[in-house]
Amino acid sequence: DGGITQSPKYLFRKEGQNVTLSCEQNLNHDAMYWYRQDPGQGLRLIYYSQIVNDFQKGDIAEGYSVSREKKESFPLTVTSAQKNPTAFYLCASNFGRHGGNTIYFGEGSWLTVV
Amino acid sequence: KNEVEQSPQNLTAQEGEFITINCSYSVGISALHWLQQHPGGGIVSLFMLSSGKKKHGRLIATINIQEKHSSLHITASHPRDSAVYICAVRNYGGATNKLIFGTGTLLAVQP
Repeated sequence: DGGITQSPKYLFRKEGQNVTLSCEQNLNHDAMYWYRQDPGQGLRLIYYSQIVNDFQKGDIAEGYSVSREKKESFPLTVTSAQKNPTAFYLCASNFGRHGGNTIYFGEGSWLTVV
Repeated sequence: KNEVEQSPQNLTAQEGEFITINCSYSVGISALHWLQQHPGGGIVSLFMLSSGKKKHGRLIATINIQEKHSSLHITASHPRDSAVYICAVRNYGGATNKLIFGTGTLLAVQP
């Protein structure tokens, strides 16, 4: 079945460490997105990519980095520069620029700083 | 003020009740999404609307573009409907495919 796979589901990070969250999709989608969700707030866009080898900063990109070397994969690295990384991270994808595309989400990754 | 507002924030219902969740937005949009987030965190897209009304099983979504308002209705609610329901809009004319999200409505359906 087609879908989006995020891993790991739960991740603990020590202060000063970089961690990478994986996102893989087999839906042949062009666009992929990373969102952060905090209690009481709507999802906020970290980075997005409309096409392979291209990505753009979202609203809260500081302290994060991404790559899009393959259409299927859009990993997110949470760097030590991100001062408050504890959150729930969601990856999503769809067919891209057109406004009429359903968006698909992964199951999310819980990141906790210890 | 958020560009997408949902009400209520929390809703408790008895099994079998008819439920309505509202979403108001302040920007021009090309589409509106209703999403369902289960306790484990995963999100499922329920509807995508640009006009009118859509129905899927016990779920009905409506949108009034002039009033910038959408509603999600659940008929004959069941405990398995308990989840967070999120409204998200795609900003019209935006150069990218970005969504603006509401903060969600937490629904608990009691047996």
